[in-house]
Amino acid sequence: DARVTQTPRHKVTEMGQEVTMRCQPILGHNTVFWYRQTMMQGLELLAYFRNRAPLDDSGMPKDRFSAEMPDATLATLKIQPSEPRDSAVYFCASGLGLAGGDTQYFGPGTRLTVL
Amino acid sequence: AQSVTQPDIHITVSEGASLELRCNYSYGATPYLFWYVQSPGQGLQLLLKYFSGDTLVQGIKGFEAEFKRSQSSFNLRKPSVHWSDAAEYFCAVGALNAGNMLTFGGGTRLMVKP
Repeated sequence: DARVTQTPRHKVTEMGQEVTMRCQPILGHNTVFWYRQTMMQGLELLAYFRNRAPLDDSGMPKDRFSAEMPDATLATLKIQPSEPRDSAVYFCASGLGLAGGDTQYFGPGTRLTVL
Repeated sequence: AQSVTQPDIHITVSEGASLELRCNYSYGATPYLFWYVQSPGQGLQLLLKYFSGDTLVQGIKGFEAEFKRSQSSFNLRKPSVHWSDAAEYFCAVGALNAGNMLTFGGGTRLMVKP
């Protein structure tokens, strides 16, 4: 049963520290999405990759967040420096890249707490 | 740009009762519509999707949804709710002009009374 995996599942860090979250998309999927979920804002799209190229990162705070795909099996989301307001659950999702109606498959999420 | 509204933030139903969760979308052409479910501490799982054809779509766990173009709606239904259905439900819309991106509604949290 192919799944999106995310590590770590939980992360507690102090303000100012660097945080790196990792995602392994489903093999053969060529789109990757990063979302952030909070009680106040709900589910927000941070970044979107197709064939490892970033297509949309308009939802991401550029000064502290960065997203990359070093290869087709790994996507990373970094926060440097982290702030308490970054506390949230971060989801990665992947898809086949079908036009318009592509199903996104979500990972279990990384719960980040910044103290 | 497309948008999705889920008017009910919370819904409580008794176990065994029927369920309908509302979803309204805004998009000029035929949308691609999805319902996802999120159990506590989990990621989102696809329940069902509509692309074209039959407007009544069957999904997993006994759920179905009906696409009504005239009402711009894609409501989720289940005839008899089980306690394990307690979760948050998200409606989402995709569009040809949006690449592979989906726009999600704010979610509806379902609670099930014994």
